[in-house]
Amino acid sequence: DAGVIQSPRHEVTEMGQEVTLRCKPISGHDYLFWYRQTMMRGLELLIYFNNNVPIDDSGMPEDRFSAKMPNASFSTLKIQPSEPRDSAVYFCASSFIQGAMTDTQYFGPGTRLTVL
Amino acid sequence: RKEVEQDPGPFNVPEGATVAFNCTYSNSASQSFFWYRQDCRKEPKLLMSVYSSGNEDGRFTAQLNRASQYISLLIRDSKLSDSATYLCVVNAPTRRLFGNEKLTFGTGTRLTIIP
Repeated sequence: DAGVIQSPRHEVTEMGQEVTLRCKPISGHDYLFWYRQTMMRGLELLIYFNNNVPIDDSGMPEDRFSAKMPNASFSTLKIQPSEPRDSAVYFCASSFIQGAMTDTQYFGPGTRLTVL
Repeated sequence: RKEVEQDPGPFNVPEGATVAFNCTYSNSASQSFFWYRQDCRKEPKLLMSVYSSGNEDGRFTAQLNRASQYISLLIRDSKLSDSATYLCVVNAPTRRLFGNEKLTFGTGTRLTIIP
């Protein structure tokens, strides 16, 4: 079974440009998470969805960031306009949670974003 | 205070040695605890869950101390392939039903096993 798929794997863009990151979760998983990882701040949760509905976006840094999940097999994270401080690795993760158990989160390979 | 705190290391340990990492968490309502492993330029992957009574998986032993809000990971007979960053992970309880879906990651402890 394919794992979490992210695209692109690498993105280099100039300040002010729009960036769209894409994620396909593992089939059957009902939670999808977007994280950002930097050396300084580690892995930070940006937003997560349950059954395609955004549940908690308190980690989204500012209005320049937006995320959507139009269906169970696809999500996007958009940055518009991008800034150099957005440079980081962005991970998407998915999980299937039954009842009170916290299940494993399966991470995609990440998108390494560089904003010049 | 950070929600999950770890010593960043690096820990440089000779092959075959035993190494231990510690982690503290601030939310006393947390119920689920994990260690994830992240190789250089790769994604995090679950290494093991941490249970109240402590648990072992081969050379790896995890312990939980709820009173002190402290988690540990012990690696025995370390191998070169154990070189990685180890992330301490704790669930961040929410008001939703069960509320166990959200995880908080520590910044990781970097381990290098030396031949």
